[in-house]
Amino acid sequence: EAGVTQFPSHSVIEKGQTVTLRCDPISGHDNLYWYRRVMGKEIKFLLHFVKESKQDESGMPNNRFLAERTGGTYSTLKVQPAELEDSGVYFCASSYGQKDNSPLHFGNGTRLTVT
Amino acid sequence: TQLLEQSPQFLSIQEGENLTVYCNSSSVFSSLQWYRQEPGEGPVLLVTVVTGGEVKKLKRLTFQFGDARKDSSLHITAAQPGDTGLYLCAGVHTGGFKTIFGAGTRLFVKA
Repeated sequence: EAGVTQFPSHSVIEKGQTVTLRCDPISGHDNLYWYRRVMGKEIKFLLHFVKESKQDESGMPNNRFLAERTGGTYSTLKVQPAELEDSGVYFCASSYGQKDNSPLHFGNGTRLTVT
Repeated sequence: TQLLEQSPQFLSIQEGENLTVYCNSSSVFSSLQWYRQEPGEGPVLLVTVVTGGEVKKLKRLTFQFGDARKDSSLHITAAQPGDTGLYLCAGVHTGGFKTIFGAGTRLFVKA
């Protein structure tokens, strides 16, 4: 089975520009999560989709971040306009079950650098 | 703030030595996971523990969940260079889907 895939693997943009990250979860996984690790800090939760619906978006930093999952398949995370503090590695993860201990399957992340 | 504190943050040991990594919180978790992450890749799940006092073994790795479900430990016996990597603990609160991560322990095993 194909794992969680993220695109691009790296992105370097200037402050004020827009970047869109994409995540393709494992087929059949209704739960999709976005996480972020900024330099030197722990991986932090951004938001959680169940199918196409946002279950929890309490971790989204501000309204410059917009996540979508139209059709309940792949998801995009757009940052507009990007700021320097948005630099970090953005991870996507998916899981199958509704139980709170369903294992997360992570993608390899997108390393975003804002200059 | 719901935090998971991992210690040590960095560990450099010789091949063959034993080590223990700790994960502590003031909060109760319904489950706790340990992940391992390699450079350029996402975290990969090693184990999930769900019952207070539970002990799970994965070859030379032993994972324990505290009786109160607030803490966990990872013990590696006779560490090998292949064990080198970033080890992350992560917890899920009861009824939730949000996984909270510790900052990780970076392990380096020298041959």
